[in-house]
Amino acid sequence: SQQGEEDPQALSIQEGENATMNCSYKTSINNLQWYRQNSGRGLVHLILIRSNEREKHSGRLRVTLDTSKKSSSLLITASRAADTASYFCATGSGVQKLVFGQGTRLTINP
Amino acid sequence: EPEVTQTPSHQVTQMGQEVILRCVPISNHLYFYWYRQILGQKVEFLVSFYNNEISEKSEIFDDQFSVERPDGSNFTLKIRSTKLEDSAMYFCASSAQGGSYNEQFFGPGTRLTVL
Repeated sequence: SQQGEEDPQALSIQEGENATMNCSYKTSINNLQWYRQNSGRGLVHLILIRSNEREKHSGRLRVTLDTSKKSSSLLITASRAADTASYFCATGSGVQKLVFGQGTRLTINP
Repeated sequence: EPEVTQTPSHQVTQMGQEVILRCVPISNHLYFYWYRQILGQKVEFLVSFYNNEISEKSEIFDDQFSVERPDGSNFTLKIRSTKLEDSAMYFCASSAQGGSYNEQFFGPGTRLTVL
């Protein structure tokens, strides 16, 4: 798989449930970031976790990072209809660019 | 809250024509980026720019592409002779500091359609 691959590719849950998305990567990283993209819109930065961190919280978001497994997860608790979007992980490895994954399409059903 | 803006939101052009996509980064940011996203595919890095020069570019960013910061606020991406495969959403981003340690703030994108 390529750097920053998310799974599942699509996730559909009921409002109020928790949503978990995973990201795997192949090379060493300095940080991993999660972005949200509403349909046809720009990318909104959600959270950045550095390689020496294991877990980070921001509101209803919880991100974990396991550098030994080269994987990260994004948990959205108590999901809302407004959380419907695509979610991307992006890895940074010391140079300027971010390498994005294919994304997970999350649908929250009312 | 400061944000990155991009114009136009949608650009339609004929194959072989030149296009210029414009971006206004966040005012105190020093690092600027262009990414693109072909429909249904992942976001791909094109180029980063700092101190009036390209600091990194990808294989996609060939001689047909150029970037410029013509004044203190705008950051542009020029495609000299567009191809059908250049059709994509182009995102500009900026960050206060360099490297990939810091979050990059993205604009809403310009959808480029090459006919």
